[in-house]
Amino acid sequence: EVQLVESGGGLVKPGGSLRLSCAASGFTFSNAWMNWVRQAPGKGLEWVGRIKSKTDGGTTDYAAPVKGRFTISRDDSKNTLYLQMNSLKTEDTAVYYCTTDTRGYYYMDVWGKGTTVTVSS
Amino acid sequence: SYELTQPPSVSVSPGQTARITCSGDALPKQYAYWYQQKPGQAPVLVIYKDSERPSGIPERFSGSSSGTTVTLTISGVQAEDEADYYCQSADSSGTVVFGGGTKLTVL
Repeated sequence: EVQLVESGGGLVKPGGSLRLSCAASGFTFSNAWMNWVRQAPGKGLEWVGRIKSKTDGGTTDYAAPVKGRFTISRDDSKNTLYLQMNSLKTEDTAVYYCTTDTRGYYYMDVWGKGTTVTVSS
Repeated sequence: SYELTQPPSVSVSPGQTARITCSGDALPKQYAYWYQQKPGQAPVLVIYKDSERPSGIPERFSGSSSGTTVTLTISGVQAEDEADYYCQSADSSGTVVFGGGTKLTVL
């Protein structure tokens, strides 16, 4: 069974940093593109960014609101995805979901349960 | 920037057919995907590549595409289908976009 488990969320002050992790199991992680998607309280879904598999170049892409502040990386030896978040703003407050894109279709076929990030003074 | 437009809400009685639309200029060239999200839960993929249904998704869920509009159809709606539904696509550069979401109410 495909499983994604996010961790690392919490309360952080504006301007601070946080690193989220996503532990993956049940599929060949190294072959999968991976995404982060977030959802602010009471709002819709917002794509954060993506990292492709190393065989597809391992490149990253980001949504405009987080470009230059957030960094996505992966450790295929640990089946783990990361999201480093710097210069956090109050508007980054959201549930952050880790998702797979196992076929490279620019979609999300499996989602984790999410981890909550609150940016507040 | 690329946008996808959905109606904020759709209401339907049990057993009837619900149709949720999603409009976007790039949809004739890019696939659309649909997700169901129930309160307090993570989203679940219910339709991919406009009209394909993942394993485990009931047959009453179907998708179609016509020009700049894609449609999620739920036939014989059940109370358990009450949820938020999001369409999603990508632009030519691979930037992922979600629609604003549609709240489906089963009366």
